[in-house]
Amino acid sequence: SYVLTQPPSVSVAPGQTARITCGGNNIGSKSVHWYQQKPGQAPVLVVYDDSDRPSGIPERFSGSNSGNTATLTISRVEAGDEADYYCQVWDSSSDHPRVVFGGGTKLTVL
Amino acid sequence: QVQLQESGPGLVKPSETLSLTCAVSGYSISSGYYWGWIRQPPGKGLEWIGSIYHSGSTYYNPSLKSRVTISVDTSKNQFSLKLSSVTAADTAVYYCARELSGSGSPFDYWGQGTLVTVSS
Repeated sequence: SYVLTQPPSVSVAPGQTARITCGGNNIGSKSVHWYQQKPGQAPVLVVYDDSDRPSGIPERFSGSNSGNTATLTISRVEAGDEADYYCQVWDSSSDHPRVVFGGGTKLTVL
Repeated sequence: QVQLQESGPGLVKPSETLSLTCAVSGYSISSGYYWGWIRQPPGKGLEWIGSIYHSGSTYYNPSLKSRVTISVDTSKNQFSLKLSSVTAADTAVYYCARELSGSGSPFDYWGQGTLVTVSS
């Protein structure tokens, strides 16, 4: 089955840029979606279809996807961005297609 | 504004069936979109359980398929999850969510989640 690999943690100082990666075999051929989840809350969609932002999501959140790595980039990081981030794809490579989530990355704002 | 609200027992005994309902407001399920269930064990990541179209067409996570049934009741504007033969490994926060177009499209609206504990 298809596996998405995320670093367990990423740390960044306020005002700097955070990059959270999501690795998968030829992930560049898939559409990747990203969610932000704060403690005790439901996930919130922050980027979809690799690089589109839902209404209400700041432009500081952007995404890219190529080769074997998709990346969520958060510019000018704020304390309020501290959260867990998950990537998601659709795995249609087998006889049993499924929604797949990455293991999640905890973003710490120093 | 679309809102989703999960409801159901917070405690289920091992080997029994977990049953949850997701009530949708602000949007008519019969108008379209897919509707899904996702769970998150305590301290762990997200796992997709399955999704249903307003017509009743479903698709499930292959690893759970033998135990899962998702159904929709358009008259009540809600959809439901049944997970049979539960074990402690099924203890999790269960979320319902709207899926934009099926086949792994993004989930744009989520319920607040409900914790289900499997224990005797």
